[in-house]
Amino acid sequence: GESVGLHLPTLSVQEGDNSIINCAYSNSASDYFIWYKQESGKGPQFIIDIRSNMDKRQGQRVTVLLNKTVKHLSLQIAATQPGDSAVYFCAENEGNQAGTALIFGKGTTLSVSS
Amino acid sequence: KAGVTQTPRYLIKTRGQQVTLSCSPISGHRSVSWYQQTPGQGLQFLFEYFSETQRNKGNFPGRFSGRQFSNSRSEMNVSTLELGDSALYLCASSQNRNYYTFGSGTRLTVV
Repeated sequence: GESVGLHLPTLSVQEGDNSIINCAYSNSASDYFIWYKQESGKGPQFIIDIRSNMDKRQGQRVTVLLNKTVKHLSLQIAATQPGDSAVYFCAENEGNQAGTALIFGKGTTLSVSS
Repeated sequence: KAGVTQTPRYLIKTRGQQVTLSCSPISGHRSVSWYQQTPGQGLQFLFEYFSETQRNKGNFPGRFSGRQFSNSRSEMNVSTLELGDSALYLCASSQNRNYYTFGSGTRLTVV
């Protein structure tokens, strides 16, 4: 089946740097995408979302970019902090009239060194 | 506002046994979904319940089942446990079908 995937399994950055985490999706019919952060021992935590009728959405220190032409999603974290160290997942919501389901990518582990 | 509560946090079972996991959603959330997380397969959708009805189901064998009660609390059951069922089982609740809040999960180990 179709799935959402991430380009890199790991990313290491220095504190204060900007981080960019990428994701490629294959379902061109997807209309809603979410980024989650998962810390050790916890469940995924919502970071930011974007609908397919948007190209960019900004939150606090985070920006999500959506390129529907190449089916690419990215998460940008500004001024990365040690507390940002976690696994980041992109997901698409396979919504239909019967119900919904989040299809997750494999995840990128972000390590921030101070 | 309390988050999504999953019990128990850790569980060890023997092959062939069955197990029941519990999830209490955020108050007011009527949709509850279950996910399995393993190092090899990542996060995979199991099923979704809304108002006591299974609304969507992932690609898992019939040994995996669930239900939702009138107070929106949900349980999932795995029968005839296999070693490969060892995983973190996550529950998520939602009010609007998009914004899902996850619990911390139940870590199931099958020996």
